[in-house]
Amino acid sequence: GAVVSQHPSRVICKSGTSVKIECRSLDFQATTMFWYRQFPKQSLMLMATSNEGSKATYEQGVEKDKFLINHASLTLSTLTVTSAHPEDSSFYICSVLPWSAYNEQFFGPGTRLTVL
Amino acid sequence: QKEVEQNSGPLSVPEGAIASLNCTYSDRGSQSFFWYRQYSGKSPELIMFIYSNGDKEDGRFTAQLNKASQYVSLLIRDSQPSDSATYLCAVNILTSGTYKYIFGTGTRLKVLA
Repeated sequence: GAVVSQHPSRVICKSGTSVKIECRSLDFQATTMFWYRQFPKQSLMLMATSNEGSKATYEQGVEKDKFLINHASLTLSTLTVTSAHPEDSSFYICSVLPWSAYNEQFFGPGTRLTVL
Repeated sequence: QKEVEQNSGPLSVPEGAIASLNCTYSDRGSQSFFWYRQYSGKSPELIMFIYSNGDKEDGRFTAQLNKASQYVSLLIRDSQPSDSATYLCAVNILTSGTYKYIFGTGTRLKVLA
């Protein structure tokens, strides 16, 4: 499977600040990456699809001006939570989609965001 | 209406028994089906995927797919306490030229030593 890293693994910030999360594909070039959010005891909710060199595609209900996604290279996508508030506290997980006939995706280790 | 449904559990089985996890989906256009395991506080890890009707075996795991019934299951043989986790079912559908993944809410499995 693909190897994916995320940084930071855990972040605590004050309300109103912005937080950047990095997602790196370590062993192949990923044209497509996904960003998910998971609240406690809930399933993964797709936030957006990140496409290298183009604008991200956001899911309904996800504010694109609040969750800024940049996929500037084939190995790096970033998610910036702008003006974070306590309700943004969640587990943010990225995944990569290697080229495969079956389209299995592989997840990064996740970033736990806590907004005070 | 949820697109992917799973029983939230917990499903408790004794060590060494077979654990059976079930998932139903609503979109007949679903093309591939995935089972992920997620330990508490960790991200999901892929166990296996299946895309054609029938059974697919990988070690202690067997995935079963029935597209007519829109049903996919995961069997875990010789269950171990280390298998205790939440199991997520996911389906892959093609919409507007891009693949989209829909996850179920997961079934929590407890393997009792």
